[in-house]
Amino acid sequence: AQSVTQLDSHVSVSEGTPVLLRCNYSSSYSPSLFWYVQHPNKGLQLLLKYTSAATLVKGINGFEAEFKKSETSFHLTKPSAHMSDAAEYFCVVILGSGNTGKLIFGQGTTLQVKP
Amino acid sequence: NAGVMQNPRHLVRRRGQEARLRCSPMKGHSHVYWYRQLPEEGLKFMVYLQKENIIDESGMPKERFSAEFPKEGPSILRIQQVVRGDSAAYFCASSLEGEKMKWYNSPLHFGNGTRLTVT
Repeated sequence: AQSVTQLDSHVSVSEGTPVLLRCNYSSSYSPSLFWYVQHPNKGLQLLLKYTSAATLVKGINGFEAEFKKSETSFHLTKPSAHMSDAAEYFCVVILGSGNTGKLIFGQGTTLQVKP
Repeated sequence: NAGVMQNPRHLVRRRGQEARLRCSPMKGHSHVYWYRQLPEEGLKFMVYLQKENIIDESGMPKERFSAEFPKEGPSILRIQQVVRGDSAAYFCASSLEGEKMKWYNSPLHFGNGTRLTVT
């Protein structure tokens, strides 16, 4: 079975400092992994995706994530936090060897950015 | 170029009433997914539909919940005889392609959700 675990429910950083949101996955075969961001009362926006082309994935708004198979991790990072980064972040794995394309969401990490 | 449109944004129902949630996918998208987000939780897959077909409903509760995606018009998620535990945010997503190997390049596009409150 495939699943993702987000290790922190809340992360608080100061504006201008680095961001690290942690995600570990379990998968019986090569996974496809995503990070989505959800701003309050909004839908979800895709930040970036890993589909085995490159282990370091760059996304929008300066975010990137590195796929580490040996650690079964896909942590999200950003060198310098901005106030607008405050949101809920979800690590996601695609489920299924079939054609349904179901996403399995982690529990979410709330990022707080302090001025 | 409208994205995925969901309405209503907020829906309040008394216990026992019916809730109907609508989702219009992005233009040209023929694959629709419904997800439910309970408070303090991530999204949980409910159902995957193509036009006039339910492809995968493994995440749907066995009773009171149904979904359709007719040839014309929006996809509808229907909850009959709502209970307080149905209070949640319901998100619709659409994609251009449904097959696993193809939609990497056209990932799911989510709507802003419908927040259902059952009183």
